[in-house]
Amino acid sequence: DSGVTQTPKHLITATGQRVTLRCSPRSGDLSVYWYQQSLDQGLQFLIQYYNGEERAKGNILERFSAQQFPDLHSELNLSSLELGDSALYFCASSQEIATDTQYFGPGTRLTVL
Amino acid sequence: EDQVTQSPEALRLQEGESSSLNCSYTVSGLRGLFWYRQDPGKGPEFLFTLYSAGEEKEKERLKATLTKKESFLHITAPKPEDSATYLCAVQAYSGAGSYQLTFGKGTKLSVIP
Repeated sequence: DSGVTQTPKHLITATGQRVTLRCSPRSGDLSVYWYQQSLDQGLQFLIQYYNGEERAKGNILERFSAQQFPDLHSELNLSSLELGDSALYFCASSQEIATDTQYFGPGTRLTVL
Repeated sequence: EDQVTQSPEALRLQEGESSSLNCSYTVSGLRGLFWYRQDPGKGPEFLFTLYSAGEEKEKERLKATLTKKESFLHITAPKPEDSATYLCAVQAYSGAGSYQLTFGKGTKLSVIP
């Protein structure tokens, strides 16, 4: 158990809908990272927040957005969902921006029908 | 653009048959190279971080090594419980004091009793 929690574990929804994924980092960690993992693309970095502020963006679509709250939990919002958005979404956390190791949560499996 | 290539894509070993997994990379300003283990449907589990060429780290039956262009994960006398996908990632500076991980697509290891 990495100490990172994610909810829900599974999510099934329809095209065009909007969903919110939630992540709680390890105790004491200030940075939160979001990743998408699909069969053909592997693990892709989406976005990073540090202590409530956006710090880095990767391959994140404009339909996706995220935020980190004062209690350091983070939410990833996915809107206008398409079939191709079906994937595993992972949250990871680390202590500071320039820290060594990211610890990953168990993931949320999103299925878009 | 940072690139990480892992080989082979899949590897089947008999229990006790030692082997190595390869991770070759192209990155500007490598800060660290990470190895993770991922079981099906689970989040990546941190194994090792390597920082400089010539560095080696060991954990049970696993040993990771690093050169200037690649890293190897050596598995000695593997057991069926070592079956998993092994992910390699490079960490490089991405601006605003942030470091980003770029992952390879992984090597799926199966250890047959």
